[in-house]
Amino acid sequence: EAGVAQSPRYKIIEKRQSVAFWCNPISGHATLYWYQQILGQGPKLLIQFQNNGVVDDSQLPKDRFSAERLKGVDSTLKIQPAKLEDSAVYLCASRGGAEGAFFGQGTRLTVV
Amino acid sequence: GNSVTQMEGPVTLSEEAFLTINCTYTATGYPSLFWYVQYPGEGLQLLLKATKADDKGSNKGFEATYRKETTSFHLEKGSVQVSDSAVYFCALREGGSYIPTFGRGTSLIVHP
Repeated sequence: EAGVAQSPRYKIIEKRQSVAFWCNPISGHATLYWYQQILGQGPKLLIQFQNNGVVDDSQLPKDRFSAERLKGVDSTLKIQPAKLEDSAVYLCASRGGAEGAFFGQGTRLTVV
Repeated sequence: GNSVTQMEGPVTLSEEAFLTINCTYTATGYPSLFWYVQYPGEGLQLLLKATKADDKGSNKGFEATYRKETTSFHLEKGSVQVSDSAVYFCALREGGSYIPTFGRGTSLIVHP
């Protein structure tokens, strides 16, 4: 079974630039999560989708972060403009049932 | 709100030593509990889970028992290997929200 695919694996940008991450969940999984994992910390939920609708985005910094999941499959997370403190690994996960979520390898973002 | 507390790392062991990583939680309801593992450069993988009190999750020689009376879900392994070196995350998920909450992670380093 194919896992959760994310791209790119690594990205380095300057502050105030824009960046976008892409996620392709496991086929058939209705629930999709984006997490931010700062070095030395546990993942923090940014946004949860159920199909193409947003379930929870209470911790998403909406002044600079946006996410969409058109057609209820792939998802993109965008940061515009980026700040130094946005340096982190951005993890996408999907879940199809009552089991735990399946995670992608993540995108490591460095803002300089 | 919900929270997960893990023992601080790194935990450094010799091969074949006994492992315990402590995890306690706070939840308003009756959560499911999970352990995830993150190998260097990879995303999180579900290691094991337990969905109700006194359940024992097990996988790859790792075990954890859901203790409602002590609100704990400690991870144990009888004999660790070098390949077990990774970061281990304890997590909970309340049935209603399906949003996993993670602890900060505990790094395990196993020496030959």
